[in-house]
Amino acid sequence: TQLLEQSPQFLSIQEGENLTVYCNSSSVFSSLQWYRQEPGEGPVLLVTVVTGGEVKKLKRLTFQFGDARKDSSLHITAAQPGDTGLYLCAGGNSGGYQKVTFGIGTKLQVIP
Amino acid sequence: EPEVTQTPSHQVTQMGQEVILRCVPISNHLYFYWYRQILGQKVEFLVSFYNNEISEKSEIFDDQFSVERPDGSNFTLKIRSTKLEDSAMYFCASSGWGSEQETQYFGPGTRLLVL
Repeated sequence: TQLLEQSPQFLSIQEGENLTVYCNSSSVFSSLQWYRQEPGEGPVLLVTVVTGGEVKKLKRLTFQFGDARKDSSLHITAAQPGDTGLYLCAGGNSGGYQKVTFGIGTKLQVIP
Repeated sequence: EPEVTQTPSHQVTQMGQEVILRCVPISNHLYFYWYRQILGQKVEFLVSFYNNEISEKSEIFDDQFSVERPDGSNFTLKIRSTKLEDSAMYFCASSGWGSEQETQYFGPGTRLLVL
C-alpha cells in the first residue's frame, strides 16, 4: 500500500510570512499533484510534477518533486489570507487509469 | 474552461435504499474515477474506468457498488443498498490521454448522507 505523509498537518502563520509544506513517501510515484480543497468542495488542481528534481512555479507558490520521486514540497512566499485552505498532495502511478493516492492534507491558516 | 460536473450536490437517503450519483466528465477525457472522502478523513480511491470497463478498484468498492457509462457523456456510481458508513463526499474525476493521463480533474462532489 502506498502512503503519502504530509507535514505539518496544521499551520497558522501571519500574513507576509513564508512557509513550506512537505509530502513524503517510501514509494516512488510517476507523478505528483498538488491540490487545494475548500470545505465542502472538490480538490482543485494546482500543479502536476512528473520529473525527478522538477521545480514549478505558480505565482508565489513553488513546487518541487524530489530527485527520487518519493517526496515533494510546496513553498509559499509572502503568504496572503487568500492562501488559507487545505493543501493536498496526491501521487499517481504510470498509466492514467490507475488510482491516485492522497495525503491527509495540510490545513493552512493565514492571519491578516 | 472545461470542468467535471456532478449531480446532485446533496443526497439524503434511508439506510438500505439505492442511490445513483451522476457525473459528467470533461468531454475529451478517456479515464474516469470515483473517490470518496469521509468527513475529516483523506480522499480515498474507489474505482477507475476506461474503455467501458473497470480498470482498478479498491477494497472499499465491494459488490454494493457499481459504475456505468450509460451514454457518451455521463458516468454514474450506484450504491445498491446504502449503509450508514457510506455517508461521505463522493468525487468524480477524469483525466485525458498521453501526457494528460497524469492529471485528474475533480468535480465539486456529492454529499451523501445515509440515515
